[in-house]
Amino acid sequence: QVQLQESGPGLVQPSGTLSLTCAVSGGSISTSNWWWSWVRQPPGKGLEWIGEIYYSGSTNYSPSLKSRVTMSADKSKNQFSLKLTSVTAADTAVYYCARRGQYFFDNVRYLPFDYWGQGTLVTVS
Amino acid sequence: DIQMTQSPSSLSASVGDRVAITCRASQSISTFLNWFQQKPGKAPKLLIYGASSLLSGVPSRFSGSGSGTDFTLTISSLQPEDFATYYCLQTHTTPWTFGQGTKVEVK
Repeated sequence: QVQLQESGPGLVQPSGTLSLTCAVSGGSISTSNWWWSWVRQPPGKGLEWIGEIYYSGSTNYSPSLKSRVTMSADKSKNQFSLKLTSVTAADTAVYYCARRGQYFFDNVRYLPFDYWGQGTLVTVS
Repeated sequence: DIQMTQSPSSLSASVGDRVAITCRASQSISTFLNWFQQKPGKAPKLLIYGASSLLSGVPSRFSGSGSGTDFTLTISSLQPEDFATYYCLQTHTTPWTFGQGTKVEVK
């Protein structure tokens, strides 16, 4: 059973950098066909995908955040991280880390978000 | 970006009701559509991937259908634990995009 746990400061100053880490247990982040993502949810609002990283170091970022986002992975600690620069109040949200795992259905390969951390609230103020 | 439009944004229903939530993509996403359930203060929980494949352990009263641009999540007989917000998510083309959510409330 894969488990994910977010950690990091709950309060960040405007124009500062938001830094979060997701510790993974029950599975290795170096496993092929698993992608590691960050998703956020402003209070009372919907979900927004931020980006993801593969164990090889390949990344995909949301175009709306790409200029401010950096993701990295530490295989030795089995964790991955998010940095978001130049934050404003609009970046206040619960931040979730999640895994995209591999499944096959009707001979098609799918990579849905199957495991999630509990989420951590980051307030920009 | 592919836009995902869910409807309705909220609905009121009673235990035992059949409930249907729709999700429309702004372009074809084949069957790369996922459904999640989220309860207050909790992370989203994957229910369905591949538009219609139920994740192991998810009750069979949940079902998904559709392909291309139009998708439906159906709860055949609403149970007390099903009152929650439901989101669709496309994983066909990055950036992955969510619908705005449908809140299922007690009538």
